[in-house]
This record gives sequence, structure tokens and C-alpha cells, in this order.
Amino acid sequence: TQLLEQSPQFLSIQEGENLTVYCNSSSVFSSLQWYRQEPGEGPVLLVTVVTGGEVKKLKRLTFQFGDARKDSSLHITAAQPGDTGLYLCAEPNAGNNRKLIWGLGTSLAVNP
Amino acid sequence: NAGVTQTPKFRVLKTGQSMTLLCAQDMNHEYMYWYRQDPGMGLRLIHYSVGEGTTAKGEVPDGYNVSRLKKQNFLLGLESAAPSQTSVYFCASSQSSYEQYFGPGTRLTVT
Repeated sequence: TQLLEQSPQFLSIQEGENLTVYCNSSSVFSSLQWYRQEPGEGPVLLVTVVTGGEVKKLKRLTFQFGDARKDSSLHITAAQPGDTGLYLCAEPNAGNNRKLIWGLGTSLAVNP
Repeated sequence: NAGVTQTPKFRVLKTGQSMTLLCAQDMNHEYMYWYRQDPGMGLRLIHYSVGEGTTAKGEVPDGYNVSRLKKQNFLLGLESAAPSQTSVYFCASSQSSYEQYFGPGTRLTVT
């Protein structure tokens, strides 16, 4: 059974601080997606990582895929209040049919 | 492009009432999904569709029905609403890369 664990569950920081959140799997990822869900909105895809060791940057966000493809991290530099939201990771269900397995997310609050 | 739209945005039902949630996408995506999101439970798949005229059960299908008569629309029905169905409902669509595009959600309260 595929399981995705995200940590920490909650994070509250001050504007300007750096932070890292994690996504770990019980099995090897085929690929991994990161989404951000702002309060009152639907999740929005940020990035997809596919290759072990891959690093992708999106402005102040840095996504890293573990070499063994069993873990991923999202690092935010100099967090801003606009970064507040729920960060979700998801991986394709090994049983196909275009279903995703979702983590429970990390809820981030960036205080001004 | 509007992307994925959902109607209504908010709804309050009494126990036993029925309603239909409408999802529409203008990206010509083959795959469409209905999720519910509850605190501490994450996103849970209710039903999904891999193409026009097809539907399949997800993790939590009981109490819900769906239809995909047109490629761009995916309807979620509650025949007899229960308080346990109070939730935020999201529709999503995808094409070939597993990456899903979500609507803004419907906040449903069943009293």
C-alpha cells in the first residue's frame, strides 16, 4: 500500500524566515507533485519532480527529489505572508487509472 | 480559458435533501475527479472518470453518484444528504501527465 507522509503537519513562522517541509513515501516514487492550496481555494500544481536527485526552483521555492526517490523536500527562502497555505505532495497510484495518492499536507502560516 | 469551474460555491442542505454539484472544464481533459476535503483527512477521492460516458468509484463513493455525459462536464449527486457529507468538494481534471487541475470548491453544509 502506498503511503505518503508529510512533515511537519503545522508550521507557523515569521515573515523573512526560511523553512523546509518534507514528503516521504513507503515505496519508491515514480514521480512526485507538489501543490499549494491557499485558504478557500483549490490546490494548484507547483512542480513535478521525476528524476532522483533532481532540484527545481520556482522563485523562492526549491524542490528536491531524493536520490533514492523515496523522499522529497520543499524549501522556502525568506517566507512571505503570501506563502501561507497548505502544501500537499502527491504521487501517481501504482494501480494506474490516473489516480493520485495524496499526503495530508503541511499547513503553513507566515505571520507579518 | 476558465480552467475548471464548479457550481454552486456554497450550499446548505437539510438531511434527506438531494442536490447536484456541477463541474465543467474547458481544457479538453479526458480525466475528471471528485474529491472531498475534511480537516485531518486530506483529499479523498469520491468518484472519477477516465473519459466521456465512463465513471468509477474512488475511496469514499457511498452516498454519491456521478455522471459524465459530456466530456467537459462531471456531475456529482447526493440523493439523500447526511450530516456526514458536510465537507468541501473539489473537482479536478487531468490529461496525460497525472497532474491535476482543480476547481475552486463547493462548501456544503448538511444540517
